[in-house]
Amino acid sequence: AQRVTQPEKLLSVFKGAPVELKCNYSYSGSPELFWYVQYSRQRLQLLLRHISRESIKGFTADLNKGETSFHLKKPFAQEEDSAMYYCALSVAGNMLTFGGGTRLMVKP
Amino acid sequence: DAGITQSPRHKVTETGTPVTLRCHQTENHRYMYWYRQDPGHGLRLIHYSYGVKDTDKGEVSDGYSVSRSKTEDFLLTLESATSSQTSVYFCAISGTGNGNTIYFGEGSWLTVV
Repeated sequence: AQRVTQPEKLLSVFKGAPVELKCNYSYSGSPELFWYVQYSRQRLQLLLRHISRESIKGFTADLNKGETSFHLKKPFAQEEDSAMYYCALSVAGNMLTFGGGTRLMVKP
Repeated sequence: DAGITQSPRHKVTETGTPVTLRCHQTENHRYMYWYRQDPGHGLRLIHYSYGVKDTDKGEVSDGYSVSRSKTEDFLLTLESATSSQTSVYFCAISGTGNGNTIYFGEGSWLTVV
């Protein structure tokens, strides 16, 4: 079965510092990877997906099949980036398996 | 935002009582899901539906049942609520023509006392 691991439950950085949220997955095939963001007590929103290879709100993520990773990066963190971030994987086309989430806190 | 409405948004219930959460969509999407969100566990799939009257179990289905009699509605029922079912429940939907993007509702906070 597939599995998604986010090793950091909490990541705290200062405004303007680079951010990297780690995500590792286990699956022998070719999964589709996503990052979702959840601002305080709101619904989850799709941040980006690897197949689109786009940058949203300054965030990027590259799928590394050799390391089975899909780390989320942003060169300069902003206070409004503070949120819960979830990495997710889809192998059946329409179901997501989530990691445990990482809370990002950006301090002023 | 995708047209997904969850009700109730907040509920406190007693152990042993039945509880039904409703998810209503206006997008005519084929797939609907129920997830629960717990600290440290992220979101875990409870049940999902791939069409009217077509449902299947997810990762944490014990103690839950679902029904989908109409495309737009997906009901999650806790037959006899337990304290371990205190959680935030999210409904989600996805279609087949949008790259399989899954959209989430706003969540239902359930407390079992």
